[in-house]
Amino acid sequence: QVQLVQSGAEVKKPGASVKVSCKASGYRFTDSYIHWVRQAPGQGLEWMGWINPKSGATNYAQRFQGWVAMTSDTSISTAYMELRRLTSHDTAVYYCARDTDTSSFDPWGQGTLVTVSS
Amino acid sequence: DIVLTQSPLSLPVTPGEPASISCRSSQSLLHSTGYNYLDWYLQKPGQSPQLLIYSGSNRASGVPDRFSGSGSGTDFTLKISRVEAEDVGVYFCMQALHTPSFGPGTKVDFK
Repeated sequence: QVQLVQSGAEVKKPGASVKVSCKASGYRFTDSYIHWVRQAPGQGLEWMGWINPKSGATNYAQRFQGWVAMTSDTSISTAYMELRRLTSHDTAVYYCARDTDTSSFDPWGQGTLVTVSS
Repeated sequence: DIVLTQSPLSLPVTPGEPASISCRSSQSLLHSTGYNYLDWYLQKPGQSPQLLIYSGSNRASGVPDRFSGSGSGTDFTLKISRVEAEDVGVYFCMQALHTPSFGPGTKVDFK
C-alpha cells in the first residue's frame, strides 16, 4: 500500500536548521507531488509548500520563502524539508503528504516533532 | 488567500446520533471543470490527518458510508449519519483550488 515514513523527532537550538525526511513506498515516487504541512502544538494545519520529485520544481508558501528548502532523491524515493534559522515558533509536528490526482493529500506521513529550545 | 471557516468548532455528540459540520470559503471553490476543490480530513487523537471526502462529495477509499459530503461553491457540509466511537477527533476542511489552506478544525467528542 502507499505509505510515507518520516524521520524521527528532533530537538534543535534557536538559530539552527533541521532537515526532515519522508520516504515513499507503494507507488512510483516521481508520479506525485509531495506536500509539507506543519501543526504547532494545539493548533491547526499550515501548508508549507510542495515539491515535484520528477523535476525538482518547488512551490513554497509565501511566508516560508527564503528559509525553507524542499528537495528529493529519486534513487531512494525520499523527499526532504529543511527549515533554517529556527525559532521557538517553529516547534511543531511536520507532516509530508502525497498529492493525488484530485489535488487531495493522501496519505500523510506519521509526522515528525521538531522542538526548538535553548 | 482563501480563508475557510468551520462551524461549530466544538461538537459534542451522542453515539448513534447524526452529526453535521459546515465549512465556508471566502471564494468559490468550483473549478471550470465542474469539480469543487474542497476536501475533508479527520485527525484522530495522536494520529496524522486522513482523507475522508475529496472534491466536495466523494468518499475516499475505505471510508465508511456513514460519512457524506455535500455542497458547492462556497458552502460545504460533512455529515455523519450515525456517530461511532472511532469517529472522535478533529475534522478539517481543506481547499486546493489555489494555495492550499485549511479550516480551523471542528473537535468532535462524546457528550
